[in-house]
Amino acid sequence: DTAVSQTPKYLVTQMGNDKSIKCEQNLGHDTMYWYKQDSKKFLKIMFSYNNKELIINETVPNRFSPKSPDKAHLNLHINSLELGDSAVYFCASSQRRDRGFGDYGYTFGSGTRLTVV
Amino acid sequence: DAKTTQPTSMDCAEGRAANLPCNHSTISGNEYVYWYRQIHSQGPQYIIHGLKNNETNEMASLIITEDRKSSTLILPHATLRDTAVYYCIVRVPGTASKLTFGTGTRLQVTL
Repeated sequence: DTAVSQTPKYLVTQMGNDKSIKCEQNLGHDTMYWYKQDSKKFLKIMFSYNNKELIINETVPNRFSPKSPDKAHLNLHINSLELGDSAVYFCASSQRRDRGFGDYGYTFGSGTRLTVV
Repeated sequence: DAKTTQPTSMDCAEGRAANLPCNHSTISGNEYVYWYRQIHSQGPQYIIHGLKNNETNEMASLIITEDRKSSTLILPHATLRDTAVYYCIVRVPGTASKLTFGTGTRLQVTL
């Protein structure tokens, strides 16, 4: 009954490889996000999708390509992995309230620790 | 989104109230104050948010000053499991609005 689940939890891969991280949420939320947390622990947003439409695209190398097949899933594909891509990647989701009190707040997954060697 | 200033670290004895301050002097009228925390190696966890009134839920209380330039997150009875980095974020809620994390306050709860 996990709310936001990411797979895999750990990923170790060599430079130059292509890899994907998957994210699924069962909360019925309409918006999903990818965040990156680097070795200095800074959390930065990468992408955001609302109802399968890309709405936030930060300055991220185009080796990173998000895909949202439906509003419950947001996957992240990374081409030609580099050492600097090593980080923890967090998926999150949120639901905008119909009126009043803004959104409910984001629910984050437990993260995928990517290590590029 | 307005910037926030938080102390780098704080200590609190278990069972006591933890009061975490946040300054947001440039907050605009339609920006809310959000609090999240990140326990070691886990994803950030939403705690509470508010606009101008004080708010309380099962996790914490949020006190926002009348001029809205600062706020305090209160954990009424801190436990060891509350040891985490706490982030104060101000933003206009909405699907196109980014949730931008700063450096936060590292709260250490001790016996």
